[in-house]
Amino acid sequence: QSALTQPASVSGSPGQSITISCTGTSSDVGGYNFVSWYQQHPGKAPKLMIYDVSNRPSGVSNRFSGSKSGNTASLTISGLQAGDEADYFCSSYTSSITAVFGGGTKLTVL
Amino acid sequence: EVQVVESGGGLVQPGGSLRLSCAASGFNFTNYGMNWVRQAPRRGLEWVSGISGSVGSSTSYADSVKGRFTISRDNSENTLYLQMNSLRAEDTAVYYCAKSRGYYSTVNAFDMWGQGTMVTVSS
Repeated sequence: QSALTQPASVSGSPGQSITISCTGTSSDVGGYNFVSWYQQHPGKAPKLMIYDVSNRPSGVSNRFSGSKSGNTASLTISGLQAGDEADYFCSSYTSSITAVFGGGTKLTVL
Repeated sequence: EVQVVESGGGLVQPGGSLRLSCAASGFNFTNYGMNWVRQAPRRGLEWVSGISGSVGSSTSYADSVKGRFTISRDNSENTLYLQMNSLRAEDTAVYYCAKSRGYYSTVNAFDMWGQGTMVTVSS
């Protein structure tokens, strides 16, 4: 159950777009369309932003989008805003009938 | 209002035991998978355990806790539990209760999280 691989940090200016990658294996990310993304502000609980690779829960801005190619999933945030500054975690279902998270990516809005 | 509220955290010595609870409200608890996810200080999220909705209530565990932790649910009380035995220093973390979007715990994403309860394992 190795953690999924995410970049430690990404940054962008307000209005720009950024993409966070999440790399796993054929036993998790590559094998199933059950990848989700979570946003976590300091001292707060995580919040679901994307589920099943590319679906947004009700209430989540359409500036957030998800995709997947092979063993790598991606979260794209367009029109960056100051409030987007947070930690982002990906997660995937695995062939062991468990879940695995990525190490997390700190997004800085410059 | 849909919410889950954790309780039961605290300070425990290595080798000790603790039982966490998660009280759910605002949704049909029976129909949804539930999970425990933990976060060590200044670290990332780690999925710990999950349990499916009521029929069958299949369970799964991370390798790091298998054989030491037991997840269970009481659908009559809308409550999720995590019994933690043989605790180690590396189990120190905030433990979150997380509701799955569907019946199965790990297939479905986690769409509702509590505020967490802190578990500290130290002598």
